[in-house]
Amino acid sequence: EVQLLESGGGLVQPGGSLRLSCAASGFTFSSYAMTWVRQAPGKGLEWVSAFSGSGISTYYADSVKGRFTISRDNSKNTLYLQMNSLRAEDTAVYYCAKSPDMAVAGHYFQHWGQGTLVTVSS
Amino acid sequence: DIVMTQSPDSLAVSLGERATINCKSSQSVLYNFNNKNYLAWYQQKPGQPPKLLIYWASTRESGVPDRFSGSGSGTDFTLTISSLQAEDVAVYYCQQYYSTPPYTFGQGTKLEIK
Repeated sequence: EVQLLESGGGLVQPGGSLRLSCAASGFTFSSYAMTWVRQAPGKGLEWVSAFSGSGISTYYADSVKGRFTISRDNSKNTLYLQMNSLRAEDTAVYYCAKSPDMAVAGHYFQHWGQGTLVTVSS
Repeated sequence: DIVMTQSPDSLAVSLGERATINCKSSQSVLYNFNNKNYLAWYQQKPGQPPKLLIYWASTRESGVPDRFSGSGSGTDFTLTISSLQAEDVAVYYCQQYYSTPPYTFGQGTKLEIK
């Protein structure tokens, strides 16, 4: 059974940093693209960043480009999101999601974690 | 970026009746080389993560009840629940995954029981 468990969320001041983790199990992690999607309180879903299974391709939403960095450690079956220069508008539940293929391009999100809440406030 | 627009924003349907949610993309998400529409539908219940219902616009994910169906092509898509059950109360999102990211979602449609 595919399981995705996010951690690392919490309260951080504007301008601060946080690193999210997504521990994966139940599948061969290195063979699948992984994505971060966020949801601000009471709002819709926003795609944030993705990393191909091959480790070659990374993608970012314009709203986080230059501030967030996605990475993965296939030996630890873990996806990361390093978030720097955080703003109030980054406040959201952050979900990691697994694609059905190694490539990011052209694939939907088949499995989702439960999410971790990031609150940016002074 | 491709903009996804859903209608209506909210919908109230009686138990056992049909529910229809529409999704329109600002450009076609149909790839002519494989004749596939790069469009998915998700269901999100309160306090839960989204759940994949439909991909390639009309392919039902494993384990999803057959009362859920997707249709449409190009820029106009529909999610239909043929006979609404109480457990179908949720927010529904469409999402395009055409070409390379960013992959955008619709704003969501809240489905309730009338």
